[in-house]
Amino acid sequence: AQSVTQLDSQVPVFEEAPVELRCNYSSSVSVYLFWYVQYPNQGLQLLLKYLSGSTLVKGINGFEAEFNKSQTSFHLRKPSVHISDTAEYFCAVSVRTGANNLFFGTGTRLTVIP
Amino acid sequence: ETGVTQSPTHLIKTRGQQVTLRCSSQSGHNTVSWYQQALGQGPQFIFQYYREEENGRGNFPPRFSGLQFPNYSSELNVNALELDDSALYLCASSRGLAGVQDTQYFGPGTRLTVL
Repeated sequence: AQSVTQLDSQVPVFEEAPVELRCNYSSSVSVYLFWYVQYPNQGLQLLLKYLSGSTLVKGINGFEAEFNKSQTSFHLRKPSVHISDTAEYFCAVSVRTGANNLFFGTGTRLTVIP
Repeated sequence: ETGVTQSPTHLIKTRGQQVTLRCSSQSGHNTVSWYQQALGQGPQFIFQYYREEENGRGNFPPRFSGLQFPNYSSELNVNALELDDSALYLCASSRGLAGVQDTQYFGPGTRLTVL
């Protein structure tokens, strides 16, 4: 079985400051890793994904994430946040075989303070 | 490349009733997945359809059922509604069964409230 833990339910950060949103996963098989963002009253939008290769993945809107297999982590970072980054962020995993359904964490609410 | 739409936006039902939620995928997207997102939680996988056949199911009872049509539309049906069924229901489409090589594109969701 797969599970995803997002360690922080809420993260407040000042505008132009760096931010890290933490994600740890558990799985008995190899997985792919994702970060999605959900703006108010909208669906989920893919920020980035790790399938294979380089462990540092760059996504949209200046976000990046690093896959750490030994620590089973996939933390999301941005060096300088904007007001428009205020949203809910979800980490997710998918197993490498079978249906490509996603297992999501409970989300981290990022609030950027002016 | 988005364009996944869902209807209705909001819906209020009473316990015991039946509901049908609709999703329209992007042309060429043969796979549709449905997720339930309870308040304050991450989305949970309900089931997936590929070319009109169920291709996987999460831990949801049989009163949750689905259909996928050749015109890239799909439905989620829930019978005998319970209070705990109140949630945001999301559909997501992707091109095919290439697994996670295909990005899943999510619709805006349908907010279901069961009273």
